[in-house]
Amino acid sequence: NAGVTQTPKFQVLKTGQSMTLQCAQDMNHEYMSWYRQDPGMGLRLIHYSVGAGITDQGEVPNGYNVSRSTTEDFPLRLLSAAPSQTSVYFCASSVSGELDTQYFGPGTRLTVL
Amino acid sequence: AQSVTQLDSQVPVFEEAPVELRCNYSSSVSVYLFWYVQYPNQGLQLLLKYLSGSTLVKGINGFEAEFNKSQTSFHLRKPSVHISDTAEYFCAVSVRNSGNTPLVFGKGTRLSVIA
Repeated sequence: NAGVTQTPKFQVLKTGQSMTLQCAQDMNHEYMSWYRQDPGMGLRLIHYSVGAGITDQGEVPNGYNVSRSTTEDFPLRLLSAAPSQTSVYFCASSVSGELDTQYFGPGTRLTVL
Repeated sequence: AQSVTQLDSQVPVFEEAPVELRCNYSSSVSVYLFWYVQYPNQGLQLLLKYLSGSTLVKGINGFEAEFNKSQTSFHLRKPSVHISDTAEYFCAVSVRNSGNTPLVFGKGTRLSVIA
């Protein structure tokens, strides 16, 4: 099993550009989520999904879109990048959201100029 | 709503010394509690979790944590640290029987082990 994979590892964008961060898991997990990590802020939840076709907002959803058309994939879209979105983004998956171990991807480091 | 407070943002400690990383949570309902570790330039991985039963939970790499309901705490301890324990540690909480409400993470404690 590859676990949770994220692409790209690094990305530099200009303000106003759009892009999609990819996340895939091969563990047949129903629950997937996106976090951003900023110094001194810990991990903050952007969006999450409890299964294909179902998504919900987390703590900091503004400026991001998600969709979940398959169990395996959960892409995160930045519609119009802003410098405030400079961060490290982590995707995670688990069997459920409550008591199961979350498995994290290696992260995508995004810089918006 | 739940919240997690990690009382120390940075903890320096000498190699082979004991360490305690403190975590307090706030919730009006019963919770599950977790500690995750993040090594430099990596994603997070589970260290240990408390679901029910014994309040002393043992995890990987010699770490343990104790759930104290009256003090709403879940402090992480290790009796003797190694250089390889240098990492950032995150406490997290989720609500029991919540229908998949997401984890809430603390802001992290950076543990630096000094040779």
